[in-house]
Amino acid sequence: DAGITQSPRHKVTETGTPVTLRCHQTENHRYMYWYRQDPGHGLRLIHYSYGVKDTDKGEVSDGYSVSRSKTEDFLLTLESATSSQTSVYFCAISENSASPDEQYFGPGTRLTVT
Amino acid sequence: AQTVTQSQPEMSVQEAETVTLSCTYDTSENNYYLFWYKQPPSRQMILVIRQEAYKQQNATENRFSVNFQKAAKSFSLKISDSQLGDTAMYFCAFRDFGNEKLTFGTGTRLTIIP
Repeated sequence: DAGITQSPRHKVTETGTPVTLRCHQTENHRYMYWYRQDPGHGLRLIHYSYGVKDTDKGEVSDGYSVSRSKTEDFLLTLESATSSQTSVYFCAISENSASPDEQYFGPGTRLTVT
Repeated sequence: AQTVTQSQPEMSVQEAETVTLSCTYDTSENNYYLFWYKQPPSRQMILVIRQEAYKQQNATENRFSVNFQKAAKSFSLKISDSQLGDTAMYFCAFRDFGNEKLTFGTGTRLTIIP
């Protein structure tokens, strides 16, 4: 299994509070991604990173920000959580976009915003 | 933008039987990759099989095989001799060549009946 961990694994927070989710990898892969999974939508890309300090938006980036100060860590921040951000969040990594390399997924974080 | 459609929200099949999950996609690109991911109740995303669009031969991985019809933009997954451990959500996914972003379908929930 690819070395990807996510923390926390579960979190309950109140509307309006800031939340940061962490993804940590031990594979030294260049690309890292944040997805959210919701019923009826599959997985949707929030943000991704193609290197340290290099990030770009995905299809559902509103209300989220990311940072990558080290190769191994990719942080997802909800500046002011809303109930619509209740979801399961997955981090993924990949080595090379110019190949059919798969994306390896972390175990997921279940976030509930009350 | 690329879209991926999985028209079967749920399926069930008797153990040891064969089942086919359908997936269609829309793209104007010629070079791309297609994937099937499995998500068991543990929530872990696991790559089942991948297909490069430039390869005419259908990919196979043990009991799993695909029927890739490029002109029809169809990418179905066949599971032979189904086992109880195949019970999971199955997601079809698409990625352009040289593009980091995966686009997922909404998933098919497959239940294998003992």
